Amino acid sequence: SQQGEEDPQALSIQEGENATMNCSYKTSINNLQWYRQNSGRGLVHLILIRSNEREKHSGRLRVTLDTSKKSSSLLITASRAADTASYFCATDPLYGNNRLAFGKGNQVVVIP
Amino acid sequence: EPEVTQTPSHQVTQMGQEVILRCVPISNHLYFYWYRQILGQKVEFLVSFYNNEISEKSEIFDDQFSVERPDGSNFTLKIRSTKLEDSAMYFCASSEGIDLTGELFFGEGSRLTVL
Repeated sequence: SQQGEEDPQALSIQEGENATMNCSYKTSINNLQWYRQNSGRGLVHLILIRSNEREKHSGRLRVTLDTSKKSSSLLITASRAADTASYFCATDPLYGNNRLAFGKGNQVVVIP
Repeated sequence: EPEVTQTPSHQVTQMGQEVILRCVPISNHLYFYWYRQILGQKVEFLVSFYNNEISEKSEIFDDQFSVERPDGSNFTLKIRSTKLEDSAMYFCASSEGIDLTGELFFGEGSRLTVL
């Protein structure tokens, strides 16, 4: 089964606003990672949160993880036009396959 | 800053032709991967490679696909007889560790168009 399923949404916000996107998954995980993809480009790692962590910060990024609900959220504070991109969560499953499973991605457009 | 490089950036081929996509992973990394992304869809795992052999492969990675590390620096994905549905962006990635406790470093991708 697919893991790392973001709530499929396209988010359009004004520069300076916060952007929040969610990800749900189905099985137990070792960690969950968020990646960013600018249009037509490769994926860039943003942040990794381990299964025993509940919240993690990196610059303007804040990630939460709720293993009881099998969900994660990514918050980008004080968004900038350069944050316009697709954001993917990816899960490393606890059992079974040693592969990252990506979701479909959330498209975020930050309007200057 | 070290990076994963991929060539070609775009390849157009006729159905049934063989295609080789090339990648140069980051030099001290141990694990290598191929993922693909059909336009507008998920990023899908194809195969992982460690210690000169396939570590794991997905159901997508059937007999028409193969990977090779021919010379200690390049990591290639070969598609023997391309189909229309192979049209996608193919991403190579590498990671430092022998498991997934760290980040994957992705290349910019090779866009394959099968006509």
